[in-house]
Amino acid sequence: QVQLQESGPGLVKPSETLSLTCAVSGYSISSGYYWGWIRQPPGKGLEWIGSIYHSGSTYYNPSLKSRVTISVDTSKNQFSLKLSSVTAADTAVYYCARVSMGFGELSPDYWGQGTLVTVSS
Amino acid sequence: SYELTQPPSVSVSLGQMARITCSGEALPKKYAYWYQQKPGQFPVLVIYKDSERPSGIPERFSGSSSGTIVTLTISGVQAEDEADYYCLSADSSGTIGVFGGGTKLTVL
Repeated sequence: QVQLQESGPGLVKPSETLSLTCAVSGYSISSGYYWGWIRQPPGKGLEWIGSIYHSGSTYYNPSLKSRVTISVDTSKNQFSLKLSSVTAADTAVYYCARVSMGFGELSPDYWGQGTLVTVSS
Repeated sequence: SYELTQPPSVSVSLGQMARITCSGEALPKKYAYWYQQKPGQFPVLVIYKDSERPSGIPERFSGSSSGTIVTLTISGVQAEDEADYYCLSADSSGTIGVFGGGTKLTVL
């Protein structure tokens, strides 16, 4: 059974960098699929942040591209998100997910439980 | 930027049929996916590739596609179907996900 678990600080100060890690178990990141991040501000809808392949290829939402970095560590079977210069608008539940991508397909099939990150001084 | 449009809310009586639409220019070329999200939980896939149902999802959930509109249909709505529903598809590059704004389904 594929499982994903997000971890990282629950509180980040404005203008600082948000950093989260997603640990994957039950599946080797190196075996395939893309690995992505999705967020959801409190009471609002879902927003795609971006994804990464085990080779390191990344795809970022243009609206966040200038501030986002997604990286992968296959030796630890985990991938990470960094979002710089955060503001209160970045307060959200952040989900990591395994993503099927290609030939018209794009869909997360396994999700982490999500972690709330609050941006506040 | 590419957008998917859903109605903010749909209300249906218990046991009746609910239809939730999602419109987007690229939907004739890209698959759509539907997710159900209940409060405090992560989204659960209920329909993939426009009309396929994952194992474990009740048969009352179905999906269809016609041009730039995809539709999630729930036949014989149950109280436990009350949730937020999101459509998801890919942008023109096929590498960035785009979610609809979400539809809150209320079961009367």
